[in-house]
Amino acid sequence: GQQLNQSPQSMFIQEGEDVSMNCTSSSIFNTWLWYKQDPGEGPVLLIALYKAGELTSNGRLTAQFGITRKDSFLNISASIPSDVGIYFCAGRPAGGSQGNLIFGKGTKLSVKP
Amino acid sequence: NAGVTQTPKFQVLKTGQSMTLQCAQDMNHEYMSWYRQDPGMGLRLIHYSVGAGITDQGEVPNGYNVSRSTTEDFPLRLLSAAPSQTSVYFCASSYSLDYEQYFGPGTRLTVT
Repeated sequence: GQQLNQSPQSMFIQEGEDVSMNCTSSSIFNTWLWYKQDPGEGPVLLIALYKAGELTSNGRLTAQFGITRKDSFLNISASIPSDVGIYFCAGRPAGGSQGNLIFGKGTKLSVKP
Repeated sequence: NAGVTQTPKFQVLKTGQSMTLQCAQDMNHEYMSWYRQDPGMGLRLIHYSVGAGITDQGEVPNGYNVSRSTTEDFPLRLLSAAPSQTSVYFCASSYSLDYEQYFGPGTRLTVT
């Protein structure tokens, strides 16, 4: 089946640093979503992107829908300890089964105070 | 709004036992789905529903049954639990086919 390549797998950064992670696919996507998951909890939606080239911010988070429709990135500026968690990208393939999302394997973020 | 709720939070089963994982949403969402999350595998779709009375299989449907008799509820049934079904299960819902999905808090299932 289709797969998303999410990188990096993990990051260990200092508080205050900026963070960047991305997802790529070999096929075209109609939707890109970014989620954050805290331990023992369900994924929480951070940003939703629906158009190629779209750039959307949510506080210190910024995500973009790549113009080729095969990638997306998420940036976190001035990281803080509560940014710790696993970040997942999810995409809805063009022409795929109705509504079905494909998830990346996650980027585990650790922040050192 | 409670959003998406799941029960139970934790469950331990013996091989061969059956059980139902409950999922409910109060947002009047048409689309609901079940995922399992395993270490290193991300989230994989088990079954989904685009509306009451309509269900379909996802990527990993074997060993699971679903039904959607109401808009609000989407239970997941394990007919004969196997150790390979040890996982964390998440229910999600969205307004319709093309909208973002919202997740419940999960059910952690262990099959011994």
